[in-house]
Amino acid sequence: DGGITQSPKYLFRKEGQNVTLSCEQNLNHDAMYWYRQDPGQGLRLIYYSQIVNDFQKGDIAEGYSVSREKKESFPLTVTSAQKNPTAFYLCASSFPRGANTGELFFGEGSRLTVL
Amino acid sequence: AQTVTQSQPEMSVQEAETVTLSCTYDTSESDYYLFWYKQPPSRQMILVIRQEAYKQQNATENRFSVNFQKAAKSFSLKISDSQLGDAAMYFCAYRSPLGGATNKLIFGTGTLLAVQP
Repeated sequence: DGGITQSPKYLFRKEGQNVTLSCEQNLNHDAMYWYRQDPGQGLRLIYYSQIVNDFQKGDIAEGYSVSREKKESFPLTVTSAQKNPTAFYLCASSFPRGANTGELFFGEGSRLTVL
Repeated sequence: AQTVTQSQPEMSVQEAETVTLSCTYDTSESDYYLFWYKQPPSRQMILVIRQEAYKQQNATENRFSVNFQKAAKSFSLKISDSQLGDAAMYFCAYRSPLGGATNKLIFGTGTLLAVQP
C-alpha cells in the first residue's frame, strides 16, 4: 500500500544532542514537507522540498536541517540549536505543482521529547 | 501573507446532531484552495473535504459539507448526523493556487470536537 512512513514514533533526547527523524514515501510525490505541531498553535511549516536536491525554509526553520538526496526520503534533523524541540512532528507529501489540487498526505507523526 | 483563523478552540455536539465549525482566512489572491483536515487521537491527519475558490458550489462529502463565502472569506464545516468517530481535532487550511511558488498549506489553530453519546 502507498503511504508515508515516519520513524521513530516516539523519541527521547537529552539536551545538546542532535536527532534525526525519518520520513519515507512511496507515493511518487515530488514535494515533501515537515510540520511541527504544538498545542494551541496548529501546524507550522519547518522545511519543504519540491524536487530532489532542493529545499526551502519554512516559517520556523531555525535549529532544524533537512536533506533531499532521494525522491522518496526527506529526513529532518533537530539540532542542539533548537531551543524548544519537544513537539509532535508531521511529515507530508503532495503531487507536484500544476497537478491535482495540492492536498497533502500525512504520515503518522513522530513525538520528540527532550529530557 | 495569508492567515487562517479558527475562533472556536473547542466544540461539543450530541450524537446524531449537527455541528458547524468556523474558519476565516485572509488573502489577497483570487484563486486558491481550502481544506478541512481531521486529526483523531491517533494523530494521523485525514483530509475531510476540499473546496476550490473558483467554484461557487459548496463541496460535500457524505455527512460533511462546507459553507464557502468567498466575499466574507469564510469557510465553515458542517457535520450532520454526528457520530462518535467524528470526535477529533479539526484543522482548516489554505493553499495558494496551482503553479504558485509553493504547494505549502497554511493551517489554523484547530477546533477540538467532542461528541457526546
